[in-house]
Amino acid sequence: GAVVSQHPSWVICKSGTSVKIECRSLDFQATTMFWYRQFPKKSLMLMATSNEGSKATYEQGVEKDKFLINHASLTLSTLTVTSAHPEDSSFYICSALIGLAEPYEQYFGPGTRLTVT
Amino acid sequence: AQSVTQLDSQVPVFEEAPVELRCNYSSSVSVYLFWYVQYPNQGLQLLLKYLSGSTLVKGINGFEAEFNKSQTSFHLRKPSVHISDTAEYFCAVSRYSSASKIIFGSGTRLSIRP
Repeated sequence: GAVVSQHPSWVICKSGTSVKIECRSLDFQATTMFWYRQFPKKSLMLMATSNEGSKATYEQGVEKDKFLINHASLTLSTLTVTSAHPEDSSFYICSALIGLAEPYEQYFGPGTRLTVT
Repeated sequence: AQSVTQLDSQVPVFEEAPVELRCNYSSSVSVYLFWYVQYPNQGLQLLLKYLSGSTLVKGINGFEAEFNKSQTSFHLRKPSVHISDTAEYFCAVSRYSSASKIIFGSGTRLSIRP
């Protein structure tokens, strides 16, 4: 099946710094990718839809200036957590959409664990 | 808007026993339904999905689920579980023509006892 990678798999950063997380579709092109956040022992919350060549669409309550998303190519989307704080610590998972029409297939990356100290 | 309810946050089961993880959804339009599994510190893996057609869907690792439109349910079942099935299971729904935006349930922790 299709493969989606994330880098890094885990990262520790100091409060106030920014951290970038990459999501790549390794063997297919994805015009649409999604970013999810998962709190400990909780479900996945959709943060935003990333579209290649255009601005991301953020879900209600997600700060777009805090979580910058860039989908610069058909195989790469990045999530930058700016001025990170301990409450931003979480497991971030991306997914990539594949297909030309409904029903689309969605493949998930392995996730990135962010710890802000 | 659609939503997904997983009533059981935890389900303890003895090894080789059958298991059912419950999932109910609400939506005013037709939907696709999914079950995902997440092992500790890992991403999501698709177990099975219902798009259309037969209401009984078979997935990987011996799991199956049945779509019941009248009861708006999509329960996951396995006739005999193994220790390796210990994981978090998420039911999810996606609305037709929604560019596959997926809404997840709160998850059910399946723990297998030897």
